Amino acid sequence: AQSVTQLDSHVSVSEGTPVLLRCNYSSSYSPSLFWYVQHPNKGLQLLLKYTSAATLVKGINGFEAEFKKSETSFHLTKPSAHMSDAAEYFCVVILSNFGNEKLTFGTGTRLTIIP
Amino acid sequence: DVKVTQSSRYLVKRTGEKVFLECVQDMDHENMFWYRQDPGLGLRLIYFSYDVKMKEKGDIPEGYSVSREKKERFSLILESASTNQTSMYLCASGRTGGSGANVLTFGAGSRLTVL
Repeated sequence: AQSVTQLDSHVSVSEGTPVLLRCNYSSSYSPSLFWYVQHPNKGLQLLLKYTSAATLVKGINGFEAEFKKSETSFHLTKPSAHMSDAAEYFCVVILSNFGNEKLTFGTGTRLTIIP
Repeated sequence: DVKVTQSSRYLVKRTGEKVFLECVQDMDHENMFWYRQDPGLGLRLIYFSYDVKMKEKGDIPEGYSVSREKKERFSLILESASTNQTSMYLCASGRTGGSGANVLTFGAGSRLTVL
């Protein structure tokens, strides 16, 4: 079985300060992990993905995430928040040998940027 | 540059009405999906399809059916809408294999309100 837990339902940071969105996963086998972003009234867009290559993954818009097997975590970070980062973020896990109907979505973290 | 198009952004229906939500993708993807998005619950898979005329139940298929007569089009049908089906519905498509495997492209969503 696989599952994913986003530890914070809401995160607020000031513009220009670092962003940390936390995600822990549970998987019996080697997982693939993703972060998607959803801006207001828009569909989900892929930010980045980890598929057993480099453990530090760089994505779009300055975001990156580090796969830590020992901690079963895949936290999303950005050094300096921008107003345009305000959105909802979803962590997603799938066992590597499964088809994409087996994607498991976290419950989401809403990121608010304070001017 | 729109790749997954959902026919209706907002719909308001009455209890018992039949509802059609349509989705079209222009990327020649084999796989198409319908998700439901509710606050605090993340995305839940309703149905998916691997090929034309194929359909598979997801995690919450009750009260829904689907149709895939052409590769590019995947329709979600609510035979008799109920108030607990008030939600945001997201369509997505993806490839079976290759470098894009398990990466989904989402439509902008259809917000359905059942009165």
